[in-house]
Amino acid sequence: DGGITQSPKYLFRKEGQNVTLSCEQNLNHDAMYWYRQDPGQGLRLIYYSQIVNDFQKGDIAEGYSVSREKKESFPLTVTSAQKNPTAFYLCASRRTGMWTDTQYFGPGTRLTVL
Amino acid sequence: KNEVEQSPQNLTAQEGEFITINCSYSVGISALHWLQQHPGGGIVSLFMLSSGKKKHGRLIATINIQEKHSSLHITASHPRDSAVYICAVRYSGGSNYKLTFGKGTLLTVNP
Repeated sequence: DGGITQSPKYLFRKEGQNVTLSCEQNLNHDAMYWYRQDPGQGLRLIYYSQIVNDFQKGDIAEGYSVSREKKESFPLTVTSAQKNPTAFYLCASRRTGMWTDTQYFGPGTRLTVL
Repeated sequence: KNEVEQSPQNLTAQEGEFITINCSYSVGISALHWLQQHPGGGIVSLFMLSSGKKKHGRLIATINIQEKHSSLHITASHPRDSAVYICAVRYSGGSNYKLTFGKGTLLTVNP
């Protein structure tokens, strides 16, 4: 089955530690995205990558880093510099065509900083 | 200020009722998306619209480009429709690499 997987589903981290969230897709999509969701707010873009070995900052990139060494993988590192990291993190990829533009989302990772 | 506004924020309905969720946005767009988020957190894409109307089963989505407004309708609602429904737009021009999301509408359908 094609899709996007994120691991782990729940993650607990002590303050001051870096943590990496995994995102893998087997949909052969070029574009991938990381979003953050907080209660009462719309999803906000952290980083995006439109092609392998290239990525761009989104609206709230401070305290985060990414890599895109393979088409299938787009891991997100939440660094100790992120002031308020507790949130729900969603990875997505995008399929585009002549008449299509669809975002596919992973199941998400809920990060809690203790 | 969030540039995509949804209403209502919360909606409770009885099974079988006709549901309407509204979305308005501020400037020209190339596409509008309706998404569904279930309690576990996973998000599914329902529709992508650039004009007119689309229908899939009991779901209907419409968009009025001139009025910068879209609606999502659910006919004969069912408890399994209970979810958060999210509107997102892809603005034309320089911001077209990303989607801008509304805050979502929490729908609860009671049996």
